[in-house]
Amino acid sequence: AQTVTQSQPEMSVQEAETVTLSCTYDTSESDYYLFWYKQPPSRQMILVIRQEAYKQQNATENRFSVNFQKAAKSFSLKISDSQLGDAAMYFCAYGGEYGNKLVFGAGTILRVKS
Amino acid sequence: GAVVSQHPSRVICKSGTSVKIECRSLDFQATTMFWYRQFPKQSLMLMATSNEGSKATYEQGVEKDKFLINHASLTLSTLTVTSAHPEDSSFYICSARTAGGSYEQYFGPGTRLTVT
Repeated sequence: AQTVTQSQPEMSVQEAETVTLSCTYDTSESDYYLFWYKQPPSRQMILVIRQEAYKQQNATENRFSVNFQKAAKSFSLKISDSQLGDAAMYFCAYGGEYGNKLVFGAGTILRVKS
Repeated sequence: GAVVSQHPSRVICKSGTSVKIECRSLDFQATTMFWYRQFPKQSLMLMATSNEGSKATYEQGVEKDKFLINHASLTLSTLTVTSAHPEDSSFYICSARTAGGSYEQYFGPGTRLTVT
């Protein structure tokens, strides 16, 4: 069974600075999807970024980028120019070959200091 | 686009009763819908996958007779918690996927169930 590990229960970052959230996963599949989701206090899950394992290029969405290391099974999220609105719980998720049946990590609470 | 709604957002029911939660895709057809459960300050755990017109596939450890899932149309899936008990109190979240194309799941806002 696939597992996703987020080893940082909480992280803090100063506004306008950069923070990296860690995620490792375990799988025997060769093709799969990985996701980072944000869950603010409203509890609404918001997709931050998606990575397809067969793509070597790291995904980027504006201030959000990933460092995908397939051999190491590592998928970290970098948030640049952090904003107060970035404060939330962040979940790393493994989606298998078709992005189905998401397996979530335990989550990392990100606090942004002004 | 790609909006998913859930109803109700909050529900309180008495132990032993049943409660139904609806998940609707408002602006797209969802061939597959997923139901997750989230305990306080914990992660989401997949309960079941439902495909329109067929029986739901439940994850190991999820009682299919307690958590009845129906996906009767391409825009609606329902989760019925039968004979609810206080330990069923939780936050239930659905998500929906379109057929083909993007593999993104669109999440509903969740339903908080409290069983007294």
